[in-house]
Amino acid sequence: DIQMTQSPSSLSASVGDRVTITCRASQSISNYLNWYQQKPGTAPKLLIYAASGLHRGVPSRFSGSGSGTDFTLTISSLQPEDFATYYCQQSDSSPFTFGPGTKVDIK
Amino acid sequence: QVQLVESGGGLVKPGGSLRLSCAASGFTFSDYYITWVRQAPGKGLEWISHISNSGGDMYYADSVKGRFTISRDNAKNSLSLLMHSLTAEDTAVYYCARLTAVVLGLFDYYYMDVWGKGTTVTVSS
Repeated sequence: DIQMTQSPSSLSASVGDRVTITCRASQSISNYLNWYQQKPGTAPKLLIYAASGLHRGVPSRFSGSGSGTDFTLTISSLQPEDFATYYCQQSDSSPFTFGPGTKVDIK
Repeated sequence: QVQLVESGGGLVKPGGSLRLSCAASGFTFSDYYITWVRQAPGKGLEWISHISNSGGDMYYADSVKGRFTISRDNAKNSLSLLMHSLTAEDTAVYYCARLTAVVLGLFDYYYMDVWGKGTTVTVSS
């Protein structure tokens, strides 16, 4: 199975900050990488698919990049509604494993 | 609107069984793979199973293989997850999610774009 790791596991940031979250796969997954946002008590929401594709309705301050084993989610200017936990997930091969998550909270 | 609604969660004793259901509406259910993802209290997301649009192919995480069975009824726009031999480690919120494919170039990319609100399973004596 492909293992996914994320760093950092948590971060504190202020509104307006640029935030970068890293995801790494245990083997090459090309660009079969998705990003989700989850707020407490709610289901995850898709942000980015295929490493860099912005899902419809997702603000343009979210962007994704990377290929192979190393990927990045960037929030260009953090907004109050962006405080949440972010998960990467590979869809290269079953099982479609998730990363452990990165919690973004208010500094 | 496009929607998935889970049901069937509850309290079950260790070793017991439970059937979860997921009702779909607002889209052509038979066109999509569907997945189950769970989240233990205070933990991250765990993909546990998915089923092809026809129901002919099923995939399971090792943690549930041999104990859980996924199935679907396209005529009723519904999905099921039958769970046996439950342990405390199966305590979680269980989500069903639509697995959508987009073709980019020559390749299919899958992602979960519609999620239900989840149903809670608690395994405890």
